[in-house]
Amino acid sequence: GPKVLQIPSHQIIDMGQMVTLNCDPVSNHLYFYWYKQILGQQMEFLVNFYNGKVMEKSKLFKDQFSVERPDGSYFTLKIQPTALEDSAVYFCASSLDGGIAETLYFGSGTRLTVL
Amino acid sequence: AQKVTQTQTSISVMEKTTVTMDCVYETQDSSYFLFWYKQTASGEIVFLIRQDSYKKENATVGHYSLNFQKPKSSIGLIITATQIEDSAVYFCAMREINYGNEKITFGAGTKLTIKP
Repeated sequence: GPKVLQIPSHQIIDMGQMVTLNCDPVSNHLYFYWYKQILGQQMEFLVNFYNGKVMEKSKLFKDQFSVERPDGSYFTLKIQPTALEDSAVYFCASSLDGGIAETLYFGSGTRLTVL
Repeated sequence: AQKVTQTQTSISVMEKTTVTMDCVYETQDSSYFLFWYKQTASGEIVFLIRQDSYKKENATVGHYSLNFQKPKSSIGLIITATQIEDSAVYFCAMREINYGNEKITFGAGTKLTIKP
């Protein structure tokens, strides 16, 4: 099926540093998402993005978080500065359009460890 | 607010048998979409099957089928003729028809182990 790629698969950084997580969505998809999964728990919605804009974000999407997709390149999640509680696996997803019935396709996640 | 609950933390069954994983949900909407995803040991999340709430017929894809009981707000996943490679964590998810509210809400997951 369609593949979403996430780079890197694992990132270790010191608290207070900036980190950028990269996502290469399915080529013709228009809607993009980030989800956060703390070890052993369910995935929690962070944000979705369409046409260069954040459409919706959750309470987990703190002010230190930002997303962008400049010129059709990677869809990125930036955290600046990072905090210990940001340690988690971050999943990117994309869908063809924002239709309610649309299936989301997920990447394999980036495991972020904040020391 | 959306809520999706999977009460079974883990299930273990023998290969080639049938297993059912439970999921109940809460919603104010009369129309919504329900999904099951599988997360493999490598972390990959794979879409399996979808049920549209306005359809009475249970969805079926390959050896996956759903037991949709709308009055009970329940959407069970049934896997028949299980195989070792079905071992994974299975997530139930819901999306309401509420334009401007595009998120999917996931349950906590059920870890399925298939024994040879």
